[in-house]
Amino acid sequence: RKEVEQDPGPFNVPEGATVAFNCTYSNSASQSFFWYRQDCRKEPKLLMSVYSSGNEDGRFTAQLNRASQYISLLIRDSKLSDSATYLCVVNPPGNTPLVFGKGTRLSVIA
Amino acid sequence: DTGVSQDPRHKITKRGQNVTFRCDPISEHNRLYWYRQTLGQGPEFLTYFQNEAQLEKSRLLSDRFSAERPKGSFSTLEIQRTEQGDSAMYLCASSLESSTEAFFGQGTRLTVV
Repeated sequence: RKEVEQDPGPFNVPEGATVAFNCTYSNSASQSFFWYRQDCRKEPKLLMSVYSSGNEDGRFTAQLNRASQYISLLIRDSKLSDSATYLCVVNPPGNTPLVFGKGTRLSVIA
Repeated sequence: DTGVSQDPRHKITKRGQNVTFRCDPISEHNRLYWYRQTLGQGPEFLTYFQNEAQLEKSRLLSDRFSAERPKGSFSTLEIQRTEQGDSAMYLCASSLESSTEAFFGQGTRLTVV
């Protein structure tokens, strides 16, 4: 099983739609979780951290299910500017750097 | 600009040549990471430093790859005897030791012809 797995998409959705991305991770002792956003030919940028209690930032909601080793990102009222690749990122235990999933590509269509 | 900076942004080289990339992290960050990204894939971890100490290098792709951070500030990544399969985006990131959030530079895109 890969360390971090994501559905690669692409997800093509109309403006205003709600879209959800899922991610699973293999190491149950992983400590920190993030969603990064990457625009075409640009570097990844932190979108939000993921907390056990779930967290929301405007139209974006992230949730963590430690029992199922599952992370989700929900985007409500999609905008054209949300088109990007969304990377699920996990920090395994120990002195180990961030592990990235392959990313899920989102295209929001007018 | 106080973010992570990488140089050069683009590099085209002939197969067999050596290349060296530079990364300047955010000044107060003591951790520095190198990742490689190919088309359609997420960033793949290569190596990282805490200050000048290289804490993990087993993920470097081969013995042709090496990295240094001699004074605990900027870092260099060298690829010797480049191969076409080395063509990729090489990303540098930095973070505070106390934080797992990493900030990325814009990357160096390497093309080996």
